Amino acid sequence: AQSVTQPDIHITVSEGASLELRCNYSYGATPYLFWYVQSPGQGLQLLLKYFSGDTLVQGIKGFEAEFKRSQSSFNLRKPSVHWSDAAEYFCAVGAAGNNDMRFGAGTRLTVKP
Amino acid sequence: DAGVIQSPRHEVTEMGQEVTLRCKPISGHNSLFWYRQTMMRGLELLIYFNNNVPIDDSGMPEDRFSAKMPNASFSTLKIQPSEPRDSAVYFCASTSTGGNYGYTFGSGTRLTVV
Repeated sequence: AQSVTQPDIHITVSEGASLELRCNYSYGATPYLFWYVQSPGQGLQLLLKYFSGDTLVQGIKGFEAEFKRSQSSFNLRKPSVHWSDAAEYFCAVGAAGNNDMRFGAGTRLTVKP
Repeated sequence: DAGVIQSPRHEVTEMGQEVTLRCKPISGHNSLFWYRQTMMRGLELLIYFNNNVPIDDSGMPEDRFSAKMPNASFSTLKIQPSEPRDSAVYFCASTSTGGNYGYTFGSGTRLTVV
């Protein structure tokens, strides 16, 4: 079965600084990879997804992620963070042909003024 | 589309009482998932349905929990009897089978058992 590790529980960055959130997955075949964002008191919202093709994928709110098979990683990036980006971010991995998706433990992002 | 609709948004109940959480998936989605989120355990998959049929309920914590999906537009998660350790946020999500296009989540039900 697939699994996901998000090594960073909590990250603090200054507004305007760049951001990278780490995600490592474990899966024997080609994974389907996702990043979700959860604002306080809200459900999870899909930021972006990777199935195949170009390994750099663009998402909503200015986020992007890069799939690196050799490193089993799917890190999320944003060049300039806004205060409204403060939230919890979840990486998830799914398998082709089924809907069983596994979520990481999440990374909480704090944005300093 | 109104998205995935969950009710109630908040529920406070006394230990031992029955609790029923409700979910309406997005029209046309045929897979539905129930998750529980706590600080200690993060996001846990409880059960999921494909075409109204339960596929994997291995995440249901114990017999006090049960879930049904009587039709494509409605699902319930029931806890009977409820216990304080059931306090959590319960999310419902839906998607289309096979495409793995990502889930659409509801806003959740915050359950507090006192």
